[in-house]
Amino acid sequence: GESVGLHLPTLSVQEGDNSIINCAYSNSASDYFIWYKQESGKGPQFIIDIRSNMDKRQGQRVTVLLNKTVKHLSLQIAATQPGDSAVYFCAENIGGYQKVTFGTGTKLQVIP
Amino acid sequence: NAGVMQNPRHLVRRRGQEARLRCSPMKGHSHVYWYRQLPEEGLKFMVYLQKENIIDESGMPKERFSAEFPKEGPSILRIQQVVRGDSAAYFCASSPPGVASYEQYFGPGTRLTVT
Repeated sequence: GESVGLHLPTLSVQEGDNSIINCAYSNSASDYFIWYKQESGKGPQFIIDIRSNMDKRQGQRVTVLLNKTVKHLSLQIAATQPGDSAVYFCAENIGGYQKVTFGTGTKLQVIP
Repeated sequence: NAGVMQNPRHLVRRRGQEARLRCSPMKGHSHVYWYRQLPEEGLKFMVYLQKENIIDESGMPKERFSAEFPKEGPSILRIQQVVRGDSAAYFCASSPPGVASYEQYFGPGTRLTVT
């Protein structure tokens, strides 16, 4: 079946460096993508989203890039901080329907 | 504005008992979603409800699981005759009315342990 998946299950980054978390999706009908951050013992927290008619969107210290040609999504975190340590999920939404499909997740470990 | 609230935060049940998980959406939100998360895994969609209506329950097991979102009060996810495989974290999310809003706000989850 169609699914959202991630390339790297764990990513270790030095504090202050930039982080890049990748996500591959297979459903070309997906028109909305979201990145969530989940800290241990907590619910997912919305970080940033992007619609399929865009290829880049920036937030505070975060940037999401969308490459529809290769069905690839990435989350870039600038100047990674210890507080960024968490599991990051990409998620997709299809065709205006509010059901969201989550990927497997990437664990980001920030080394002080 | 309080966020999405879930209770209890932790629930322990013996095999065969019933589990009731409650979710109060954010104020003004009329859409509720339930997800299940196993350790080290992503969230799996279970059910999507609007007030008094189940919109999509394609992710919910046909047996033993039910969900409701009454006109008044919280949304309830009910698991009857729990088994060890039901042990997981159950998250509720809510979103405001309108198809244009996809952003879902998550609660802290209920961690169900079946002994």
